[in-house]
Amino acid sequence: GQSLEQPSEVTAVEGAIVQINCTYQTSGFYGLSWYQQHDGGAPTFLSYNALDGLEETGRFSSFLSRSDSYGYLLLQELQMKDSASYFCAVGPSWGKLQFGAGTQVVVTP
Amino acid sequence: EAGVTQSPTHLIKTRGQQATLRCSPISGHTSVYWYQQALGLGLQFLLWYDEGEERNRGNFPPRFSGRQFPNYSSELNVNALELEDSALYLCASSLGGGTNEKLFFGSGTQLSVL
Repeated sequence: GQSLEQPSEVTAVEGAIVQINCTYQTSGFYGLSWYQQHDGGAPTFLSYNALDGLEETGRFSSFLSRSDSYGYLLLQELQMKDSASYFCAVGPSWGKLQFGAGTQVVVTP
Repeated sequence: EAGVTQSPTHLIKTRGQQATLRCSPISGHTSVYWYQQALGLGLQFLLWYDEGEERNRGNFPPRFSGRQFPNYSSELNVNALELEDSALYLCASSLGGGTNEKLFFGSGTQLSVL
C-alpha cells in the first residue's frame, strides 16, 4: 500500500531545534515536499527534495534519503510563529501529491 | 499579485444536495489542483486540471467532478452529498505542465453537510 508516517505532535521551547521525520511507502516517487499550515489557513510551501541530500532555506532545512524512503524537516531557532502543522508530501505520480497526516508543532515560551 | 482565491469561504448543504466550489489560480498559472482535508487529517488529492483537461484523479467516487475554464479558473462539483463529505476543500495552482514541487494553495472552502 501507499503511506506516509510522521509524528503527530512535537513540543519545544523557543530557540530550540525540532526535527520532524517522514517515512514513506509509495508506488512511484517524484520528490518529497514539506508544507506548513496554521490553523484554518492555507498550506504554504516550505521545501522540496528531488534528490538525496540536504536543502537549506533560512531557518528550515530538509533532508531526503531515497534508498531509506525517509526524509526530515529541521526547524532551527524556533519562534512562536512556527507553531503550526507541518505536512510531508510525496508525489507518487506527476501532478499528484500524497500528504502525511501532519505534525502539530507547539512552541512554548 | 493576487494569490489563489476560492469561493465561497463557507458552504452549508444538506445530504443529497449538490455543491459547487470555485477557484481562481494565480495569474499565469494554468494548472489547478483540488484537495480535500477532513478535520485533523492530511490533504487527500482529488483532481488536477491543466490547459482545460483533467490530467490526474485521486481515489474519489465519480460524484466528485470538476472542470477548468478557458481562463484557467476551475470549479469542483460534488453531487449527492454525504455527511462524510464535510471537509475543507483546498485549491492550489502552479505553472503549466503540473508540478510535484511547489503548489500555491488558497484558503479553502469549508463545506458542511447536514
